[in-house]
Amino acid sequence: GENVEQHPSTLSVQEGDSAVIKCTYSDSASNYFPWYKQELGKRPQLIIDIRSNVGEKKDQRIAVTLNKTAKHFSLHITETQPEDSAVYFCAAGNTGTASKLTFGTGTRLQVTL
Amino acid sequence: SAVISQKPSRDICQRGTSLTIQCQVDSQVTMMFWYRQQPGQSLTLIATANQGSEATYESGFVIDKFPISRPNLTFSTLTVSNMSPEDSSIYLCSVPNMANYNEQFFGPGTRLTVL
Repeated sequence: GENVEQHPSTLSVQEGDSAVIKCTYSDSASNYFPWYKQELGKRPQLIIDIRSNVGEKKDQRIAVTLNKTAKHFSLHITETQPEDSAVYFCAAGNTGTASKLTFGTGTRLQVTL
Repeated sequence: SAVISQKPSRDICQRGTSLTIQCQVDSQVTMMFWYRQQPGQSLTLIATANQGSEATYESGFVIDKFPISRPNLTFSTLTVSNMSPEDSSIYLCSVPNMANYNEQFFGPGTRLTVL
């Protein structure tokens, strides 16, 4: 089955700096890579996703890059704000297997003033 | 987005007992998923609940321990049977976004503590 590794497990940045979280996956058949944000005590919510036919996707301060050859994908948050503080999970799935996702271990991002 | 509710929101149970968690969605969905999130950990898929057929369990999870019902397209239950402290966790249901089928909407979760 799929295995997703995520680094770092914790990340502390100053407000306004950039944050980068990296994930690797094992199954070359995976072609869908979402990122979820989970604030303390709340449910995970999708913030951005990318499919394997695209190398990069951007949405305001958030971008995701994908390297299919190396089986790497990364989340980039620019101009971080205190409200970005949360746990971020990457995941991998296959568009042909109806939404089943394998999640990474999570990164706790702390944005300090 | 789908509106998902779970009951109970939290519970404290004695070891050896069972707890049934309910998940209700405001629209019809073909599949519902049940995840476990142990304290400070990631989300682990327990099983996929399909309406009209038996649930599909992931490696490490068995029907005797986590029986699932899916009586209709808007409702599912997960039972945690013969509980032990190791079952203390948050249990979340999720459903696919019918507009972006690979995206999942999560319920608010059920926080279970087993003493």
